[in-house]
Amino acid sequence: EDQVTQSPEALRLQEGESSSLNCSYTVSGLRGLFWYRQDPGKGPEFLFTLYSAGEEKEKERLKATLTKKESFLHITAPKPEDSATYLCAVQAITRPNLGAQKLVFGQGTRLTINP
Amino acid sequence: GAVVSQHPSWVICKSGTSVKIECRSLDFQATTMFWYRQFPKQSLMLMATSNEGSKATYEQGVEKDKFLINHASLTLSTLTVTSAHPEDSSFYICSARGRGTGSYEQYFGPGTRLTVT
Repeated sequence: EDQVTQSPEALRLQEGESSSLNCSYTVSGLRGLFWYRQDPGKGPEFLFTLYSAGEEKEKERLKATLTKKESFLHITAPKPEDSATYLCAVQAITRPNLGAQKLVFGQGTRLTINP
Repeated sequence: GAVVSQHPSWVICKSGTSVKIECRSLDFQATTMFWYRQFPKQSLMLMATSNEGSKATYEQGVEKDKFLINHASLTLSTLTVTSAHPEDSSFYICSARGRGTGSYEQYFGPGTRLTVT
């Protein structure tokens, strides 16, 4: 069964204190790994898609990396506005039907950046 | 680009009534739409997947007669919660993917907060 585990569950940082969020996954065949940001009371906002081990993507203070077993979301010099829940999800390569498009989500990491 | 809207953003209804939630893709054609529900401080739980013009595929444990999904066009899907009860109170979020959004990304709507009294 496809599974995604995110750690830590919650993380408090001071403004400017860099850190990383972890997403470990087990999947029969990875079609893609996705990172989303979710603010309270809102829908998830798409950040990155990673397709193969070794791939990296950056956006402002965020950088996502991927290995065969896990992904990291690195946050460099975060600001208070980076406070949110960060969700990781995988999409597996399965038989070619609707099920192949499902995202399996982790529980998320609640990130708080204190000024 | 890849904007998804939901309406209403919040709704309060009485127990036993039905509520319809709309999900629209504003700048792309959504060949597939997904409906999730999310409880406080929990992750998203997929309820069903629908392709335009086809019947929805429901996840195990989701009552298809209670949560009616219609994906009648490439830009609109609706979720109707029939005979709602307080335990149906939740945050309902739709997502969409399709032509012009990139390979496999799903783009999410802002969510609808349903409270059943």
